Amino acid sequence: SQQGEEDPQALSIQEGENATMNCSYKTSINNLQWYRQNSGRGLVHLILIRSNEREKHSGRLRVTLDTSKKSSSLLITASRAADTASYFCATDKTGGGADGLTFGKGTHLIIQP
Amino acid sequence: SAVISQKPSRDICQRGTSLTIQCQVDSQVTMMFWYRQQPGQSLTLIATANQGSEATYESGFVIDKFPISRPNLTFSTLTVSNMSPEDSSIYLCSVERRVTGVEAFFGQGTRLTVV
Repeated sequence: SQQGEEDPQALSIQEGENATMNCSYKTSINNLQWYRQNSGRGLVHLILIRSNEREKHSGRLRVTLDTSKKSSSLLITASRAADTASYFCATDKTGGGADGLTFGKGTHLIIQP
Repeated sequence: SAVISQKPSRDICQRGTSLTIQCQVDSQVTMMFWYRQQPGQSLTLIATANQGSEATYESGFVIDKFPISRPNLTFSTLTVSNMSPEDSSIYLCSVERRVTGVEAFFGQGTRLTVV
């Protein structure tokens, strides 16, 4: 079963608006990451937040992590058409070892021009 | 970062046949990972491939169906055997880098359609 659950599953907004996606997970983690996937191709790493961090920024991206609620959010500000993609959260499978990642179900984001 | 070349990028195969997917990394890595992404779904880890030992398979995946080779530290193959339409998916190769946490790098994926 999937560790992470994203919501919403699909999101359509106007260009320039902010997009917020949420992710929940079930087990303890060392860190949580967000990835983007364009048109069913390879995934691109966006940002990593460690379990002792509450918020992290990278350009137009802002990630929050609430370990007490086992949830994270990804905010994309001032969205652009090029942000149209699927976004996945992922956690270390075993919480520490290099044993692959467990991915959430993903949010499909559509930015309308 | 790591550059991962995966091929073929897509294929249409007849049921009952097998397809071998190749993954080449531009640097030596200990572990390589194979994921499956079924249509409209998220990624699911198939197996972890270590050089010099048998691959470690996740629950629901078996070696007879998905044999993996790892002949050296920069290359791996995944074979999808005796294919059925249910095997139609994107298959992705990945490596991980550990700095402050695990960051994964992915190939562009192989889009497989079984007819």
